[in-house]
Amino acid sequence: GIQVEQSPPDLILQEGANSTLRCNFSDSVNNLQWFHQNPWGQLINLFYIPSGTKQNGRLSATTVATERYSLLYISSSQTTDSGVYFCAHSENNNDMRFGAGTRLTVKP
Amino acid sequence: DTEVTQTPKHLVMGMTNKKSLKCEQHMGHRAMYWYKQKAKKPPELMFVYSYEKLSINESVPSRFSPECPNSSLLNLHLHALQPEDSALYLCASSQWDSPLHFGNGTRLTVT
Repeated sequence: GIQVEQSPPDLILQEGANSTLRCNFSDSVNNLQWFHQNPWGQLINLFYIPSGTKQNGRLSATTVATERYSLLYISSSQTTDSGVYFCAHSENNNDMRFGAGTRLTVKP
Repeated sequence: DTEVTQTPKHLVMGMTNKKSLKCEQHMGHRAMYWYKQKAKKPPELMFVYSYEKLSINESVPSRFSPECPNSSLLNLHLHALQPEDSALYLCASSQWDSPLHFGNGTRLTVT
């Protein structure tokens, strides 16, 4: 299967700081998505972004499919941004698979 | 509020029990999924249903038995589980080539 590398594995920020999370893929992927899992376990879909750039408030994402990576930008971080951020992809029909995640802690 | 509803939220069961997890969505999605998530690990794909037919089984032990009675419902029947099966079980749904939506999960403890 396709290898996924999420970086960094852990990140600690002061409130108000900006950050960039990255997913690298060993091959072309489909249906690339970014998720946030809060400390209570809820998984929220942030972006469906097979290619290009999207923005939603303080968050934006960019996928460069030809170079097999995707980036998630968090600006002006807040304590509620804490949790784990996952990228996910499919290799065949709808077999959505998750990267190992980046654990983000935002300190007040 | 999530558009994918999972029940129960918590479940404690013995190794000889039979129980079922339930998942419901009313978004008209034709793909439904079961994931298992252990602490500090990513969700791990178990099963995918496509148009109410099982399309992916990730070599899951037979003590987990999925069922899709109709396009809105997905069940996971549990029997003779082991303590290592304790985890958060997540249901999700999607339309083709579109965002995946998750329920809030069932926290399962096997004693």
